[in-house]
Amino acid sequence: DTGVSQDPRHKITKRGQNVTFRCDPISEHNRLYWYRQTLGQGPEFLTYFQNEAQLEKSRLLSDRFSAERPKGSFSTLEIQRTEQGDSAMYLCASGGWSNEQYFGPGTRLTVT
Amino acid sequence: RKEVEQDPGPFNVPEGATVAFNCTYSNSASQSFFWYRQDCRKEPKLLMSVYSSGNEDGRFTAQLNRASQYISLLIRDSKLSDSATYLCVVIRTGTASKLTFGTGTRLQVTL
Repeated sequence: DTGVSQDPRHKITKRGQNVTFRCDPISEHNRLYWYRQTLGQGPEFLTYFQNEAQLEKSRLLSDRFSAERPKGSFSTLEIQRTEQGDSAMYLCASGGWSNEQYFGPGTRLTVT
Repeated sequence: RKEVEQDPGPFNVPEGATVAFNCTYSNSASQSFFWYRQDCRKEPKLLMSVYSSGNEDGRFTAQLNRASQYISLLIRDSKLSDSATYLCVVIRTGTASKLTFGTGTRLQVTL
C-alpha cells in the first residue's frame, strides 16, 4: 500500500494518560500535516512539517501536544495528560510539490 | 464568522437527480480550492481541485467565482454511492498549504 498509514486506528485511554500516534506518509512526499476532527466539524489544522522541520503549529496545539518527524519520514504526535476534550479523530496528511494533500485513515482517540 | 461556510444539509435526493452544493469563503487571499469527500467515520478523500475556469470530472463539475468568493460542486446522475459528506476546502496564500475546511454538506441519495 503506497498511501498514508496511521497507527493505531483506535485508542481508548483514561484521562491523564499519555498517548502517541504514528503517521507514515507517502514516501516521496516532503510535507506532512496533522489535523484533528470532531463530530460534525471539518478537520482543523494542528501542525505542519516540511521534511524534518516543524514549520507551523496551530494555537489549538496546547503544550500537552508535541509532534516530531525525526528523519523527515514518519511522524509521531504525542498527547500528554490526556483530557476528555482531546477525544477526536487525529488525521495525518501528506503532500508533495502540488497543493494537494492525501489523508491517512486516522486514529480515533477516546478519553474516558 | 467561519472562514469557509457550507450548508450542512442533509440533501436527500433520488437516484439519478442532479444536486448542487455551494460554499463561500471569507478570505480573499485564498489561492487554492478543493472538494473532498468523506464517508462516515472515514478519512477525507480528495474529490477534485477547483480552478477558475471551472473543471469537470465525469459526473462532477466544480466552479469557482473569485469575485463572489464562492465555490460550487454539481453532481449529475446521482448514484447511491455518492452518499457522503462533501467538504469544501481552501488554502490561503502564505499558509504553507494548510487546508481550511468547511463543516461539510451531507448528501443522501435514495432509491
